[in-house]
Formats: sequence, C-alpha cells, structure tokens
Amino acid sequence: SQKIEQNSEALNIQEGKTATLTCNYTNYSPAYLQWYRQDPGRGPVFLLLIRENEKEKRKERLKVTFDTTLKQSLFHITASQPADSATYLCALGTSGTYKYIFGTGTRLKVLA
Amino acid sequence: NAGVMQNPRHLVRRRGQEARLRCSPMKGHSHVYWYRQLPEEGLKFMVYLQKENIIDESGMPKERFSAEFPKEGPSILRIQQVVRGDSAAYFCASSLGTENTEAFFGQGTRLTVV
Repeated sequence: SQKIEQNSEALNIQEGKTATLTCNYTNYSPAYLQWYRQDPGRGPVFLLLIRENEKEKRKERLKVTFDTTLKQSLFHITASQPADSATYLCALGTSGTYKYIFGTGTRLKVLA
Repeated sequence: NAGVMQNPRHLVRRRGQEARLRCSPMKGHSHVYWYRQLPEEGLKFMVYLQKENIIDESGMPKERFSAEFPKEGPSILRIQQVVRGDSAAYFCASSLGTENTEAFFGQGTRLTVV
C-alpha cells in the first residue's frame, strides 16, 4: 500500500544547530515533493517544492534534497532558531493529478 | 488578497445534526481541496474539486459526507448526522491547478460533536 512516513517522534535540537527531517515514501512515483510548516491551531504554510529531476533546492536557511532511488526527501534547517519550532509536513504530488498527499508530520522544537 | 477563507472557525454540533463548512479559495484559484486532521495526526486527503466538478473523492467516507464547489460561491463540505468521531479540524486549500504549484491553506474549521 502507499505510505508517506515522517519521524513520528518529536525532534529536539539546540539553537544554532542544523535540524534534519526525513520523509520516506513507498509505492508512489511523485513528480514533485513539497514541504510545509504548521503551527498549532493554524493551517499549513508552503515552504519549498522540489521536482523529481532535481536533487537539491535551497531557500535562505532551508535546504531540501530528493532521492527518487531511495524514495526519500531530507529537509534541513541550518542555524536553527526557537522560532523554527513547529510541525513540518511533506507532501507528494504525482504527475497528471493536482492532488497533494501529506505525511504525518514531524514536530521540531528548537531549544534556546 | 485575503487568502483562503474558511468559516466558521469553530463549530459545535450535537450528534445527529448537520455540519456545513465553507471555503472561499484564493482569487484566481479554481482548484479546492479538503483535508481532515485529528489531534497529533497528519492531514488526511478527503476530496479535490474544480468548479462544478468533483475530481477525486477517494478520501471521503462513503456515507454522510458530501462536497460541492458551485459556479458561484464557496466550496461546501457537508456532514450529515454527525457522530463524535467526526470531531476534527477540517482544512481547505486552493491552488492554481497546474503541476509544481503549492497549495494555500485556510485556517481550518474545528468541528466538535457533543
């Protein structure tokens, strides 16, 4: 069956360190993958999109990698700050449909 | 641009009543998606609509749930004869409907069934 898995355990890291979040998928052939941030009581907010033919994408302190062989995406936040504390969701999009399927999310807490 | 607007933000219904959740997409967006989120869980896809058409409803429960996106007006997610298990946050998102574009989410409607 199709699955999108993210670290179910919360990730606690020290301020200034790099946070790395994982998104693994099975039985999907995504054309692109997106990362969203969700704060408590709020809707998700788009962060980055990476296409299947791209290995890496960067935006300010954020970096996403996409390995279609491993069926995995890694999401990095460098020089993390307490304000980065939130739940991060990955979402897959397949070619020919504009539907977004989300992973379960990973809660990140950056400690001051 | 006001973004995706959902109302109400909070909705309380007694078991057996009907719940109507509304979503106005971003200006220029013709694609609307509904998701359900339980506490501590991810977003579960429910339905994907374009104006006057249901494109994919594979995530919708077979009974009591329906969705529409009329030519004029907001998209409506309707839950008939609500049960306690329907209590959740319901999020609406909209997009341009082209590949490689992101979805913009509303703030959600928190449904509580008492």
